[in-house]
Amino acid sequence: RKEVEQDPGPFNVPEGATVAFNCTYSNSASQSFFWYRQDCRKEPKLLMSVYSSGNEDGRFTAQLNRASQYISLLIRDSKLSDSATYLCVVFDNYGQNFVFGPGTRLSVLP
Amino acid sequence: DVKVTQSSRYLVKRTGEKVFLECVQDMDHENMFWYRQDPGLGLRLIYFSYDVKMKEKGDIPEGYSVSREKKERFSLILESASTNQTSMYLCASRRGRGNTEAFFGQGTRLTVV
Repeated sequence: RKEVEQDPGPFNVPEGATVAFNCTYSNSASQSFFWYRQDCRKEPKLLMSVYSSGNEDGRFTAQLNRASQYISLLIRDSKLSDSATYLCVVFDNYGQNFVFGPGTRLSVLP
Repeated sequence: DVKVTQSSRYLVKRTGEKVFLECVQDMDHENMFWYRQDPGLGLRLIYFSYDVKMKEKGDIPEGYSVSREKKERFSLILESASTNQTSMYLCASRRGRGNTEAFFGQGTRLTVV
């Protein structure tokens, strides 16, 4: 079983749609969680950290369920510029390194 | 803003060459990482360093070595480049304390011919 798993995608949605990405992780001792965005041929960039209480940044909402070892990202009112690959990332506190999910590609269509 | 800079965007090297990929960060971060990214395989950790002169193997260290002589610089070395090392290489850094995120360099696309 992979350490971090994500919806395989791709997701093709019309502008204005709401889309949700799911992620599960296997290491119950993980403490830090992030969503990164990666555009084609570019480096990953932090979209948002994920906190236990859930957090929101504009159109983006992240949720963490430690009991189920599950992380989600909700994007409301999708824009064309949201088209990218979204990476779920877990920090392994014991190994002191990041574990990346395979990513889910989103295409927002006009 | 944190800046992580990789020395080259694109490199073409011949099989058997020794290749150096350089990464510099300007935020006094303790932790630095080298990943490679391949289609269908995602980001895989090659090596990381949690402080100067410290290094730890990641998931795929074979064929690579690293050097961290100064805090701001983390070098990835391909001792004898092979065609299966053709990939996108990404360097990242992170503050060593707290639940902090990683910042990435722009990536080096290496082609070994």
